[in-house]
Amino acid sequence: KAGVTQTPRYLIKTRGQQVTLSCSPISGHRSVSWYQQTPGQGLQFLFEYFSETQRNKGNFPGRFSGRQFSNSRSEMNVSTLELGDSALYLCASSFVVGSDYNEQFFGPGTRLTVL
Amino acid sequence: AQSVTQPDIHITVSEGASLELRCNYSYGATPYLFWYVQSPGQGLQLLLKYFSGDTLVQGIKGFEAEFKRSQSSFNLRKPSVHWSDAAEYFCAVGVSGATNKLIFGTGTLLAVQP
Repeated sequence: KAGVTQTPRYLIKTRGQQVTLSCSPISGHRSVSWYQQTPGQGLQFLFEYFSETQRNKGNFPGRFSGRQFSNSRSEMNVSTLELGDSALYLCASSFVVGSDYNEQFFGPGTRLTVL
Repeated sequence: AQSVTQPDIHITVSEGASLELRCNYSYGATPYLFWYVQSPGQGLQLLLKYFSGDTLVQGIKGFEAEFKRSQSSFNLRKPSVHWSDAAEYFCAVGVSGATNKLIFGTGTLLAVQP
């Protein structure tokens, strides 16, 4: 079974631009979560999508947004990029069973550099 | 609010020595607890998890962790470290009412000496 895939793996943008990152979950997984990893702030939860609806949200500004498609693939968008948005963006998928916790499988991440 | 503390930023152990990585959490109810490992350039891999029941949980790669409610701790252990265990280790807690939202600790970077 293929794992979680994220594209692109590396991205360089300049301040003020916008960027879209993509995540394809493991086949059959309907939940996709996004995390930002930086040396200063560590791993922080951005949001989670389940059945095309945002189910949970972290404490990030509105410049960070996401969506999920009917095939469970997810995209996250960052508008008006700032230097501080440079980070590794990780996507995780899980097969949801009931309302209990489900193991999350992480992708390799997209390394975003903002110049 | 939930939080996770990993007091050790860096740890160096000799190959074959035992390992214990510390994790303390702040949470009002029974927590969902996890340990993840991240190798350079890789995503996170789940080592083990605690939801309920037996407080000593076994994971992959020979790791185990013990949940101690009285100490709000969930320390990760391995009896004999291998060079391939060098990586960064993250403890995480699940957020009440938010099924797949995890709060992570700051991580412990493990170096293994030959």
